[in-house]
Amino acid sequence: DAKTTQPPSMDCAEGRAANLPCNHSTISGNEYVYWYRQIHSQGPQYIIHGLKNNETNEMASLIITEDRKSSTLILPHATLRDTAVYYCIVGYSTLTFGKGTMLLVSP
Amino acid sequence: DAGITQSPRHKVTETGTPVTLRCHQTENHRYMYWYRQDPGHGLRLIHYSYGVKDTDKGEVSDGYSVSRSKTEDFLLTLESATSSQTSVYFCAIEGQGAPGYTFGSGTRLTVV
Repeated sequence: DAKTTQPPSMDCAEGRAANLPCNHSTISGNEYVYWYRQIHSQGPQYIIHGLKNNETNEMASLIITEDRKSSTLILPHATLRDTAVYYCIVGYSTLTFGKGTMLLVSP
Repeated sequence: DAGITQSPRHKVTETGTPVTLRCHQTENHRYMYWYRQDPGHGLRLIHYSYGVKDTDKGEVSDGYSVSRSKTEDFLLTLESATSSQTSVYFCAIEGQGAPGYTFGSGTRLTVV
């Protein structure tokens, strides 16, 4: 069973920030939080990962709560091309993908 | 994706026949993975490799075998294909210099 809980779907207006939540209350001390996305039928694409600290890269920001039981992926200015399924995964070696959140970005 | 290719991209085969899918990488990454993706199940790990001739089972390994005789190639074999193995198969690589997994474009397999 997946170790994370995500909403099945979310909507976002183009140009606005998309904030995707993830609960991972059973995360272990050495497990990272990873985010991937899958656009239509393509292979999943790595976005970002973190252990304890907040992280930012050219694609997104990752906010991890202090107790590490939840996190939020932030796409600061969503575009239509960000429409995809977003997966939040916790793990250390092999990764288990759940069902993710379908993010629909609309004009 | 750059550095990883899967072949074939599409295949239709008959029940009971053996099928081999190939994953080829040019990144010299140590770790390679095979996943399958089905509606309602997300991606599920079949087998993975952590080096040449070093492989291990994932959560849905029954009916599948793998081989890795070279760093660049990871083969997935369906020993006797069944209709339940109709799926999209993704290969992924992981190694130093690149964060996270890099996935291939997938192989769509239909068993009739």
